[in-house]
Amino acid sequence: AQKITQTQPGMFVQEKEAVTLDCTYDTSDQSYGLFWYKQPSSGEMIFLIYQGSYDEQNATEGRYSLNFQKARKSANLVISASQLGDSAMYFCAMREGPGNQFYFGTGTSLTVIP
Amino acid sequence: NAGVMQNPRHLVRRRGQEARLRCSPMKGHSHVYWYRQLPEEGLKFMVYLQKENIIDESGMPKERFSAEFPKEGPSILRIQQVVRGDSAAYFCASSPNRGQTNEKLFFGSGTQLSVL
Repeated sequence: AQKITQTQPGMFVQEKEAVTLDCTYDTSDQSYGLFWYKQPSSGEMIFLIYQGSYDEQNATEGRYSLNFQKARKSANLVISASQLGDSAMYFCAMREGPGNQFYFGTGTSLTVIP
Repeated sequence: NAGVMQNPRHLVRRRGQEARLRCSPMKGHSHVYWYRQLPEEGLKFMVYLQKENIIDESGMPKERFSAEFPKEGPSILRIQQVVRGDSAAYFCASSPNRGQTNEKLFFGSGTQLSVL
């Protein structure tokens, strides 16, 4: 079974609108971390936001927020007020337990339309 | 504090040659991960190493690929007798790995391997 599932290969959003990128995960651990990374066309991987499994509040970082629904095992990324520079690939990832590897989803390509 | 350094940035090899990709983790990080990314695809885990130890190599092809992270020096991903299908971007990431699930990965800029 896939550890991280991103079901949207590509998404479009109008500039200044909000967009939600979906992510579901699979784990039996109680302690885990969820991450989102952005990969622009230049190729580098940029960390955006983190959510811990025990965090009761949804994480927020500027225009990024993580809609964490533990019972549904989802960790959707919400980007508010989209900008042209948000056009990129977005990867959801999970880290389980101490010292274990990161699992990445297949990514969602976001295009912001002016 | 320099980030994760990968070199070379671009590497061109002919079929049958060897490719060596280097990764110096961030200062203070003792764990290194290697990922492969094909065009328009996600990151595929290859190997996870600690200094002088391979922790998890479940994503490494059984033949031609090897990785090491010696006590001194960078981590090396080695591909012997490269084939065209090895052409991809190879990313290295490091983590302090104090055993906490909130430790994010810090990525290098990647090495783009092209096999002619």
